[in-house]
Amino acid sequence: GAGVSQTPSNKVTEKGKYVELRCDPISGHTALYWYRQSLGQGPEFLIYFQGTGAADDSGLPNDRFFAVRPEGSVSTLKIQRTERGDSAVYLCASSSDPGTEAFFGQGTRLTVV
Amino acid sequence: AQSVTQLDSQVPVFEEAPVELRCNYSSSVSVYLFWYVQYPNQGLQLLLKYLSGSTLVKGINGFEAEFNKSQTSFHLRKPSVHISDTAEYFCAVSTGGFKTIFGAGTRLFVKA
Repeated sequence: GAGVSQTPSNKVTEKGKYVELRCDPISGHTALYWYRQSLGQGPEFLIYFQGTGAADDSGLPNDRFFAVRPEGSVSTLKIQRTERGDSAVYLCASSSDPGTEAFFGQGTRLTVV
Repeated sequence: AQSVTQLDSQVPVFEEAPVELRCNYSSSVSVYLFWYVQYPNQGLQLLLKYLSGSTLVKGINGFEAEFNKSQTSFHLRKPSVHISDTAEYFCAVSTGGFKTIFGAGTRLFVKA
């Protein structure tokens, strides 16, 4: 596609449930990033993929969060046993050259009630 | 470790006035620097970037920024703002690896 696509755009879930957030990067971009943006804050780094492998997952807050990118394109961020504190906008970005310009999707707004 | 500090959380300014949004960073190695803009209900969009070379960088929509290594700053400027520039602006730093760290953002509010 022309840009980074994230689905769903909005997700409301109950506390304790499992959610999956999908990111479809720009075609040909090997680098993919997940960020989390809370209200009034800048994006917070979660994880970075180079190809299929997670090159840096140091930003994942705990073991309830996991992300995959099995074929080096689409990525899924998975959150188990969601908590109200997980409510935020989850942003995905991709780039052709790691560390340079990243192109962001519109984000998925996750609300845990 | 890298960090980014945006010195102003909000900047109100009148239309056609100049504006400067301040950004300081800390890093022990060479950095790449970025400014992103987020318009209401839209995704982040790159305004400009400094990778190397000239320290004065020009971006889209008439914005420019100057990399000052000695002061570890990368302030964003525009000589005359428009109502349509109202948005959240984020400064970001990368060491050329993969992790880009963002500041907390500055909300620019342009008044008529």
